[in-house]
Amino acid sequence: AQSVSQHNHHVILSEAASLELGCNYSYGGTVNLFWYVQYPGQHLQLLLKYFSGDPLVKGIKGFEAEFIKSKFSFNLRKPSVQWSDTAEYFCAVNHRGSTLGRLYFGRGTQLTVWP
Amino acid sequence: DAGVIQSPRHEVTEMGQEVTLRCKPISGHDYLFWYRQTMMRGLELLIYFNNNVPIDDSGMPEDRFSAKMPNASFSTLKIQPSEPRDSAVYFCASSFSRSGANVLTFGAGSRLTVL
Repeated sequence: AQSVSQHNHHVILSEAASLELGCNYSYGGTVNLFWYVQYPGQHLQLLLKYFSGDPLVKGIKGFEAEFIKSKFSFNLRKPSVQWSDTAEYFCAVNHRGSTLGRLYFGRGTQLTVWP
Repeated sequence: DAGVIQSPRHEVTEMGQEVTLRCKPISGHDYLFWYRQTMMRGLELLIYFNNNVPIDDSGMPEDRFSAKMPNASFSTLKIQPSEPRDSAVYFCASSFSRSGANVLTFGAGSRLTVL
């Protein structure tokens, strides 16, 4: 069965520290990849997405993610975090083709940034 | 566009009562999803529709849960009878299929508490 693994359950950083959140998926076919962010008390919002082309994708608020097909990974990065980045981050995968419409989410990583 | 609209935002009810959650997707979107979020299980897909037709309801916990989409602009998720373990935030999301990818837009969620 398809699974999405986010290895870090809770990450605590100081402002200006660099961030990398891991995401691995198990599906061997062609995928679309997403990172969503959920700020405290709010709904999920799209942070960035990868469909095809350049495996390094840039999203909003200085976030980027790199798709490494050989490692089935789509890690999220930011060189310098801010207090306002405190939120929960979800990696998600969608299979292209017959299972269009089904988005598989990881369990989420809670990021806490101390000022 | 006002985005995905969910109601009610908060619902507190007693065990055994019927609960109906409502969702209005973004106009023109052809997919609609119902997710449930809890601390224990994270984000779970309950059911999704394509062009008002249920495609995958394998995530619906049990017969107490039912979902309908009578038209392209409205969906309901009903729990009857409700139980305390149904307490969660229920998110509705919609998307427009294009080029084999789905980018979900989430509603603000309905926080359900069953006493």
